[in-house]
Amino acid sequence: QKEVEQNSGPLSVPEGAIASLNCTYSDRGSQSFFWYRQYSGKSPELIMFIYSNGDKEDGRFTAQLNKASQYVSLLIRDSQPSDSATYLCAVNTRGDGGATNKLIFGTGTLLAVQP
Amino acid sequence: EAGVTQFPSHSVIEKGQTVTLRCDPISGHDNLYWYRRVMGKEIKFLLHFVKESKQDESGMPNNRFLAERTGGTYSTLKVQPAELEDSGVYFCASSQDRTVIGYTFGSGTRLTVV
Repeated sequence: QKEVEQNSGPLSVPEGAIASLNCTYSDRGSQSFFWYRQYSGKSPELIMFIYSNGDKEDGRFTAQLNKASQYVSLLIRDSQPSDSATYLCAVNTRGDGGATNKLIFGTGTLLAVQP
Repeated sequence: EAGVTQFPSHSVIEKGQTVTLRCDPISGHDNLYWYRRVMGKEIKFLLHFVKESKQDESGMPNNRFLAERTGGTYSTLKVQPAELEDSGVYFCASSQDRTVIGYTFGSGTRLTVV
């Protein structure tokens, strides 16, 4: 079982719709959860992070965390063609002696927003 | 503020050759990280420097990989000798403090071993 799992997609949504991206993780000790956006040939760019169960909203983006189900999601409202990219879920797990500084990534979900 | 700079952006080498990748972190960032994405796989952690010291090198795949950060500024990642399975995109990231939130990634070096 992979440590962080995502559906590779592509996930195709029409412009203006809500895009829902999902991620599951295997380590119950995971503390922090991140969503990165990566355009083709570019570097990963942090768009959201969440620590606590529940929802966290930032503009058109909402991150949702359910630690009991080991599930993280990202909702993008009013999707735009410029949102088309690969969305990477990443987890930072507290290791022996404290939090590690490394991220464990999923393989990413390709989102395509159709005009 | 200049971002994290990596070069070369692309490198094509033959199996058995040596390649050195370079990363210039954001000025003042003590923490520097190397990650790698092999085709079709997820981005994986390689190692973490704090200044010139290796804090965590648990992700280095084998002894063909050597990372250095002399003087605590830029870092190099040398692959010697390169194998076909080393092909992928190598990312560098830096942060001022030890929190993951502070990561800024470079645009990566695409390495192709033929």
